[in-house]
Amino acid sequence: DADVTQTPRNRITKTGKRIMLECSQTKGHDRMYWYRQDPGLGLQLIYYSFDVKDINKGEISDGYSVSRQAQAKFSLSLESAIPNQTALYFCATSQGGTGELFFGEGSRLTVL
Amino acid sequence: AQSVTQLGSHVSVSEGALVLLRCNYSSSVPPYLFWYVQYPNQGLQLLLKYTSAATLVKGINGFEAEFKKSETSFHLTKPSAHMSDAAEYFCAVTHNNNDMRFGAGTRLTVKP
Repeated sequence: DADVTQTPRNRITKTGKRIMLECSQTKGHDRMYWYRQDPGLGLQLIYYSFDVKDINKGEISDGYSVSRQAQAKFSLSLESAIPNQTALYFCATSQGGTGELFFGEGSRLTVL
Repeated sequence: AQSVTQLGSHVSVSEGALVLLRCNYSSSVPPYLFWYVQYPNQGLQLLLKYTSAATLVKGINGFEAEFKKSETSFHLTKPSAHMSDAAEYFCAVTHNNNDMRFGAGTRLTVKP
């Protein structure tokens, strides 16, 4: 089983719908991140969390919200999806101080 | 704020030829620098990282990178390309391990 698991892996939805992407990890890391990948733009940081009570905005947080339900779970929500949120979303974890990120396999979201 | 620029969105080499992927960084404080690789339909995985120890860093799969402060560069090289090296490569920077900023990526094609 993967150390960082994202669900769903693929989702097609319509404009205005609420969407939740979930991430769970078995690595025991304290830090969790959500990134968005668009072709030609690399990865952009949406939100990150250092522990259950800590949530921080990244580069592109507008239109997104997150919840850290437990040390091992970090979910990303789109309250009202729009087409330009069509992208590949990655969850990642790290252990404080090391800098190395461990990625899930990604969730591909298409908003029609 | 720190950032990285990857020169060349696509690089094509012949099998057995030298691989050179370019990355320049911008940071007001000493950076931590990383190279990640993404194979098709997978998340990113760490190739190597620079954390202010040796300036020449060796990573997995025969890759290495050299930190050059005077040139603000952290280029990735491999002496002899294999077909299995075909992937997308991302340079990334952080200075406090709080959030990592990625370049736009370079897609490497290896011709037989």
